[in-house]
Order: sequence, then C-alpha cells, then structure tokens
Amino acid sequence: AQKVTQAQTEISVVEKEDVTLDCVYETRDTTYYLFWYKQPPSGELVFLIRRNSFDEQNEISGRYSWNFQKSTSSFNFTITASQVVDSAVYFCALLDSNYQLIWGAGTKLIIKP
Amino acid sequence: EAGVTQSPTHLIKTRGQQATLRCSPISGHTSVYWYQQALGLGLQFLLWYDEGEERNRGNFPPRFSGRQFPNYSSELNVNALELEDSALYLCASSTGQALAKNIQYFGAGTRLSVL
Repeated sequence: AQKVTQAQTEISVVEKEDVTLDCVYETRDTTYYLFWYKQPPSGELVFLIRRNSFDEQNEISGRYSWNFQKSTSSFNFTITASQVVDSAVYFCALLDSNYQLIWGAGTKLIIKP
Repeated sequence: EAGVTQSPTHLIKTRGQQATLRCSPISGHTSVYWYQQALGLGLQFLLWYDEGEERNRGNFPPRFSGRQFPNYSSELNVNALELEDSALYLCASSTGQALAKNIQYFGAGTRLSVL
C-alpha cells in the first residue's frame, strides 16, 4: 500500500528557533516522487519542493532544507531561524503512477513571536 | 501569470441539492485535478481530467462528477448533497508532462457548506 505518515500533528516554537517536520512514506514503486506543500490560513496549497526517488541529494532553499533518506523512507523538512510567517499547515505527499497525490495528515506549525 | 482560480469562494447548500464548483487552470496547463479536504479525513483525491477526458477517479460515489471543457477549465458537480460533503474542495492544474515532471499547482479552494 502507498502511504504517507506525518506523526507530528502540531508543533509550536518560538520565532528564530529551528524546526524539523517529519515525513515517512511507504510505496511499492521503485521510482517515486515526493512533495512538500504549505497551506496557510487562506487555504491555498503552495508547492514547496519535489524530490524524485533516484535523486538522493539534499536540497537547501534559503531557510528551508529537505533531507531525503531512502534507507529510512523519510523526507524531512527543516526550517532554520523560523519566522511568524512560516506558521501554516505543512503537507508531505507521494505521487502515485495514476497522477494522484497521496497525502499525509499534515503538521500544523505555530511560530510564536 | 494568473494561478489556478476557483469559484465560488464559498457555497452554501442544503441537503439534497446540487453544487457546481468551477476551476480555471494556469495558462498552458492541460490537466486538472480535484481534491476534497474534509475535517477529520484530510486531503483525498477526487478526479483527474486531461485533454478533456477523465483519466482517474478516487474512491467517491458517482454523485461526484465533473468535466473538462475545450479551454481546459473544469467543473465539479456534486449531486444529492449530504452533510458530510461539507469540505474545502481544491483544484490543481499541471502540464500534461510525464510523471517525472508532474507538479500540481493549487487554487485557493471552494468551501462548500451543506446545511
């Protein structure tokens, strides 16, 4: 079965702290695609990153970084020096062969000033 | 460049009525996807349209249906509304590229409330 697990329901940190959001996936496919999206209170899902299973390089984009580890089936997301504007619900997702995104339950991130 | 646009923003219906939700994809995108985000159920895939054809359907009853028009915009119809259909309905679009290049970009959603 294909499944995405985000065990952290809610995380609350003080501004400027670093925070890591966990994502663990299950898939029977040898080639697969993982995503992170951000959902602010407005509701729109904002694309953050896509990772192909055959590309194991970690990625950094400004304060955001992603750690992809096939050995542990994890694709974790770290925000460095968090800001209040980072407050949102973050979703990890797996794209299946029918172009269907399979979603984790989401992690609500609260950044306190 | 305009993103994915959805209308209406909010929709209030009563049980048994029909709801029609609309989506305009990003210019140049030929695929449209519909997802339901209901409280307690998370995000679930509903439908995928590409080049005017339904390509894939999620685990939803037949009263959820839709279509894609020649200009690639799409409609989602929900017949015989039930209380549990209350949710945020999100539309996404992508280019008709291979799986390896698929990125789905989302609109702000239509919040459907069934009373």
